[in-house]
Amino acid sequence: DAGVTQSPTHLIKTRGQHVTLRCSPISGHKSVSWYQQVLGQGPQFIFQYYEKEERGRGNFPDRFSARQFPNYSSELNVNALLLGDSALYLCASSLGGRSRNSPLHFGNGTRLTVT
Amino acid sequence: KNEVEQSPQNLTAQEGEFITINCSYSVGISALHWLQQHPGGGIVSLFMLSSGKKKHGRLIATINIQEKHSSLHITASHPRDSAVYICAAWNYGGSQGNLIFGKGTKLSVKP
Repeated sequence: DAGVTQSPTHLIKTRGQHVTLRCSPISGHKSVSWYQQVLGQGPQFIFQYYEKEERGRGNFPDRFSARQFPNYSSELNVNALLLGDSALYLCASSLGGRSRNSPLHFGNGTRLTVT
Repeated sequence: KNEVEQSPQNLTAQEGEFITINCSYSVGISALHWLQQHPGGGIVSLFMLSSGKKKHGRLIATINIQEKHSSLHITASHPRDSAVYICAAWNYGGSQGNLIFGKGTKLSVKP
């Protein structure tokens, strides 16, 4: 079975631009969550989605948004990029719903560099 | 003070030693995750706990809900266990959740 897949793997953008990151969950998983990991630090929670609805939000500005599609894949959008947005962006999927405490399965991440 | 605190921050052990990593949290949680991250970024979920104790191979995780404390133990440690270990707590308010991460414990096991 395919694991969680993220695209692209690497991305270079300039300040002020917009970026879209994509995540496909494990088949059967209905919950997707997004995390930002700045080099040398632990992950920070950005969003969780379940059945196309936002179910969790971390402390990130409105420049960060996400959505989940009917096939449970998800996009993370970041507008007006800042140098500080340079990070590894991780996606994780889980069963969700009544199994909201189910284990997380992580993708390999998208490395975003903002210049 | 962080809502999820881990200790120690760094840990060096000799191969074969018994290792304990601690995680304390100050918020109400519905579950706690232990994660392993190797150099290069890949994260693997080791355990998800809401009560009691779980064991997988040489790894054991425990949680005490009353004391708001969890531990990850590694028996007969091996150099391949070298990684960063992170605890993360699900804090739910109503229907919205927030996953709060500890800063991680960097483990180095020497042969």
